[in-house]
Amino acid sequence: NAGVTQTPKFQVLKTGQSMTLQCAQDMNHNSMYWYRQDPGMGLRLIYYSASEGTTDKGEVPNGYNVSRLNKREFSLRLESAAPSQTSVYFCASSEGWGSDNEQFFGPGTRLTVL
Amino acid sequence: GQQLNQSPQSMFIQEGEDVSMNCTSSSIFNTWLWYKQDPGEGPVLLIALYKAGELTSNGRLTAQFGITRKDSFLNISASIPSDVGIYFCAGQPLRVSYDKVIFGPGTSLSVIP
Repeated sequence: NAGVTQTPKFQVLKTGQSMTLQCAQDMNHNSMYWYRQDPGMGLRLIYYSASEGTTDKGEVPNGYNVSRLNKREFSLRLESAAPSQTSVYFCASSEGWGSDNEQFFGPGTRLTVL
Repeated sequence: GQQLNQSPQSMFIQEGEDVSMNCTSSSIFNTWLWYKQDPGEGPVLLIALYKAGELTSNGRLTAQFGITRKDSFLNISASIPSDVGIYFCAGQPLRVSYDKVIFGPGTSLSVIP
């Protein structure tokens, strides 16, 4: 049981380049999330998918797109990377939707945009 | 927007000491969550609190949901080196909507053996 896995672990991009961050969970969870973590700040929700087939914007969605490929996988795409998107990105999943459902986090992707 | 404040921002303690940290908000929350993040890893949920005044323990950790519903406290007793990490509080103003989760900036804990 790997839990939540993310690829890549590290990435360096030039301004304007695009890339997709991959996330997969093997816990048969219905809900998945993408967060970013910046120094001195708490995690901020970018997008979430309450269930397979649905996605919604979180607190900071600008510059990102997501795809819930299937129940296991939830990807985050940066179409045209900007230095302000330098951050650590975490994917999370939970069995259901709502505060009673514990979120399980992946190990993170450390992204630098030059 | 809504913000959570955590104090202290960082702390250095001797192994065996007790630790206290808190989280405050200007808004009322219905749920308080405490997470720990080890270096290079994602956060892991430690304790979840759902009612004002609630006191919940998880081993050496004890957390309380403040009666004003605007704060929460986490205590660690008899600290050990593996307690090192960043502790985040998170609050939810609505019980069923994760898009309203607010995370604090974290308290960094270092334990000196």
